[in-house]
Amino acid sequence: QVQLQESGPGLVKPAETLSLTCTVSGGSMRNVYWNWIRQPPGRGLEWIGYVYHSGLTNYNPSLKSRVTISLDTSKNQFSLKLNSVTAADTAVYYCASHPGAPVALQHWGQGSLLTVSS
Amino acid sequence: EIVLTQSPGTLSLSPGERASLSCRASQNINRNYLAWYQQKPGQAPRLLIYGASSRATGIPDRFSGSGSGTDFTLTISRLEPEDFAVYYCQQHSSSLWTFGQGTKVEIK
Repeated sequence: QVQLQESGPGLVKPAETLSLTCTVSGGSMRNVYWNWIRQPPGRGLEWIGYVYHSGLTNYNPSLKSRVTISLDTSKNQFSLKLNSVTAADTAVYYCASHPGAPVALQHWGQGSLLTVSS
Repeated sequence: EIVLTQSPGTLSLSPGERASLSCRASQNINRNYLAWYQQKPGQAPRLLIYGASSRATGIPDRFSGSGSGTDFTLTISRLEPEDFAVYYCQQHSSSLWTFGQGTKVEIK
């Protein structure tokens, strides 16, 4: 059974760069789309983007200028970097796997709360 | 961008009753790449349905999905106490994946 675990700083100052890592266990990173999704407190879900095992990426246009998602298969990890953060980026950040259509976001991490505050 | 509109916003029902949740898309969703998720407080979403009508692994058969094109429905045939939660639809038909705003199923 694939398991995902997010890790991150918990608190980031405005204008700095948010960095989160998702560690994957129990499965191969090949032929899978590795995603980040976020959820502001009390609100709905927003898809941020994915990286495919080949390195192909696809980002939400609303965040594209600030986002980088990358993969490190040697460590079984993938990462999210979001620069120039503001309070609007405060959210629970989830990593999730997508094995390819028609199956959707199949496995999820438990989520990591990231607060932007000085 | 494909906008997904879920209705109703809140559904108040009793255990044992049938729940029908709607998800309407602003454009046709090709190949029925439409999924449903359940989220309970403090937990990550859980995949229930993919491809509009296929149940994910381990999902009870009281959950079913139907629809095509722009209109989709999640049906819970008989609500169990553990089914009271928020439900989201999501499309991955276009390059920009989007979620609906959610329907909360609460105990009446």
